[in-house]
Amino acid sequence: EAQLLESGGGLVQPGGSLRLSCAASRFTFSDYAMNWVRLAPGKGLEWVSAISGRSGHTYYADSVKGRFTISRDNSKDTLNLQMNSLRVDDTATYYCAKADVSFVGGDFFHMDVWGKGTTVTVSS
Amino acid sequence: QSVLTQPPSASGTPGQRVTISCSGSNSNIGSHSVNWYRQVPGTAPKLLIYKNNQRPSGVPDRFSGSKSGTSASLALSGLQSDDEAHYYCASWDDSLSGQGLFGGGTKLTVL
Repeated sequence: EAQLLESGGGLVQPGGSLRLSCAASRFTFSDYAMNWVRLAPGKGLEWVSAISGRSGHTYYADSVKGRFTISRDNSKDTLNLQMNSLRVDDTATYYCAKADVSFVGGDFFHMDVWGKGTTVTVSS
Repeated sequence: QSVLTQPPSASGTPGQRVTISCSGSNSNIGSHSVNWYRQVPGTAPKLLIYKNNQRPSGVPDRFSGSKSGTSASLALSGLQSDDEAHYYCASWDDSLSGQGLFGGGTKLTVL
């Protein structure tokens, strides 16, 4: 069974940076697009970013565009999210989630495997 | 405020049938399929329905989805106490360079 394990969360001051990682196992990582989704306290799920499997095309929510960068290392089966210029409203649990195709979006936006999440707190 | 609109809450008694709606627009639900997720607080979201009405293996047929135009709905029949959770619809949106969208979520209470 495919597994995802996030790491890198923690406490950071507003304006600071943090890098999240997601280690994938038990599936051919490079064959699938990957997503980051977050859940802020008292709020609903919010899609953050996605990256295609091999070509590395990237997509971002308006709320993080220009501040967050998604990347992947297919040789290490790892997904990353570099978060800069963090704001208080970026505080959330961040989940990485696997698509079941190599490309992003359209009629294939569903995410079939999720990690347990890593918590990011932005506070002074 | 989410682009995909869901009722914030829904409720039912054990054994009842409950539906949760999700309303969007031509650039998202009107153009792309809808997926549904369930999240119990403190746990990861779980895919319930994909491509409007498909169930992943392991999801019971008590759960069903449908889509018409720019709206979609999730139906749960034979309601059980452990169906209490937050339910989210999701779809892709073609605006700008394309991005994913979730509805605001519906908290289902089993009375």
